[in-house]
Amino acid sequence: EAGVTQSPTHLIKTRGQQATLRCSPISGHTSVYWYQQALGLGLQFLLWYDEGEERNRGNFPPRFSGRQFPNYSSELNVNALELEDSALYLCASSLGGMLLETQYFGPGTRLLVL
Amino acid sequence: EDKVVQSPLSLVVHEGDTVTLNCSYEVTNFRSLLWYKQEKKAPTFLFMLTSSGIEKKSGRLSSILDKKELFSILNITATQTGDSAVYLCVSGGTSYGKLTFGQGTILTVHP
Repeated sequence: EAGVTQSPTHLIKTRGQQATLRCSPISGHTSVYWYQQALGLGLQFLLWYDEGEERNRGNFPPRFSGRQFPNYSSELNVNALELEDSALYLCASSLGGMLLETQYFGPGTRLLVL
Repeated sequence: EDKVVQSPLSLVVHEGDTVTLNCSYEVTNFRSLLWYKQEKKAPTFLFMLTSSGIEKKSGRLSSILDKKELFSILNITATQTGDSAVYLCVSGGTSYGKLTFGQGTILTVHP
C-alpha cells in the first residue's frame, strides 16, 4: 500500500513569492492534515481538510491557505513568503476526521525562503 | 490552550540501556495520546493510548497512560543504535481534528 506522498521534496523561493506544496493521502483516507516544523521547533498544526472542506486551522496567518480536491489530495499555499516560513512542511492523512484515528505522515517538503 | 510537555529534551545512552521518556499534558476534552518516532523526516506511529493503566507493547517498546495524573511514559528496553530518533508525544483534545505535539525527546544511542 502506497503511503502519503508529498511534492516537491525541496522548494527554494524568495521573499514575497508564493509557494504551493502538494500532498496525496493514503488510498481510502479522506482527511488530510498540514503541519509546519521550523528548525528547532516542534510540529505546529496548520490545517485540516476532510471531505473537501477546511475543518480546522491552527494559529497561522491567512496567507497560509489550502484546499482539498475531490480525489482527497491537497495543496498548501503560502503567499507573500517570509524568511521565517522556511521549514519542513509535513502532510498527514487519516481514515476520517475522528480524533482517535491515527495520522500517517508523508516525507515532507522542505521550503527555504531566501 | 492545550499543552504537551516532554522530558527530557535529549538523552544519550549506550546500547543495551533502558530508557524512559516522559510526557505530561494539559488538554481540554482529552481524547487520546499518541507516540511517534521521527527519524530524518516523517514521524512514524508507535502507540495510541486512550485508557488509563493499560500498557501497550511492541517489541522492546512499551507505553502507558495515567489520565488522573495527566502523563504518559514510553519505555525502550535493550536500546539499539537504530532507536536513535526524536520521540514525539502527541495529544488530541479540545479542537476536533487537531493534534497538539510536544517538543520531542532526542534520543541518541551509542554503540
